[in-house]
Amino acid sequence: GDSVTQMEGPVTLSEEAFLTINCTYTATGYPSLFWYVQYPGEGLQLLLKATKADDKGSNKGFEATYRKETTSFHLEKGSVQVSDSAVYFCALKLSRNEKLTFGTGTRLTIIP
Amino acid sequence: KAGVTQTPRYLIKTRGQQVTLSCSPISGHRSVSWYQQTPGQGLQFLFEYFSETQRNKGNFPGRFSGRQFSNSRSEMNVSTLELGDSALYLCASSSDSLGARNEKLFFGSGTQLSVL
Repeated sequence: GDSVTQMEGPVTLSEEAFLTINCTYTATGYPSLFWYVQYPGEGLQLLLKATKADDKGSNKGFEATYRKETTSFHLEKGSVQVSDSAVYFCALKLSRNEKLTFGTGTRLTIIP
Repeated sequence: KAGVTQTPRYLIKTRGQQVTLSCSPISGHRSVSWYQQTPGQGLQFLFEYFSETQRNKGNFPGRFSGRQFSNSRSEMNVSTLELGDSALYLCASSSDSLGARNEKLFFGSGTQLSVL
């Protein structure tokens, strides 16, 4: 079945460091890909998305590029801030009536 | 516009009891999905309702059930609670107005259920 694999956490970085969180997927078709973020005590929020190969999603300094050849959607940010500390989830959706399938999440902690 | 509202925020139950969780979607949203979040399993899809009909169902036992009302509000029920049901239960809504596969989900803050 369809699945998403994320890099194991937790990830701890210093402020202003470069961030990469790896995400790869397995799907029978051509899914839409998403990154959601969960701040402490809150529900998930959509961070960015991409709907087809080579699309780049971006928001709040975060970027991810839909790579069909490597079935990947890695999340990157050039300079992280303490306020970026959260759990990040990679997800895919195959078609209109399909559920959103999530990875297990990666906890990110940024230290000043 | 108010966000997705889940009640109650916290619940403590004992094994064998049953529980009902409530979710009010964003006004105008017709699709409501439920997810179970645990540290070990991450986010697991329970079911999705659209216009009062269950459209999708995950791999959970029949003890987990749900329904959606005509105003799109949804409830989730878990009967005969087990210790392993302790989790954060998240509800998400979407407009699904275009039926697009890149439709954005809006999540509530969840109900934290503890089974003792």
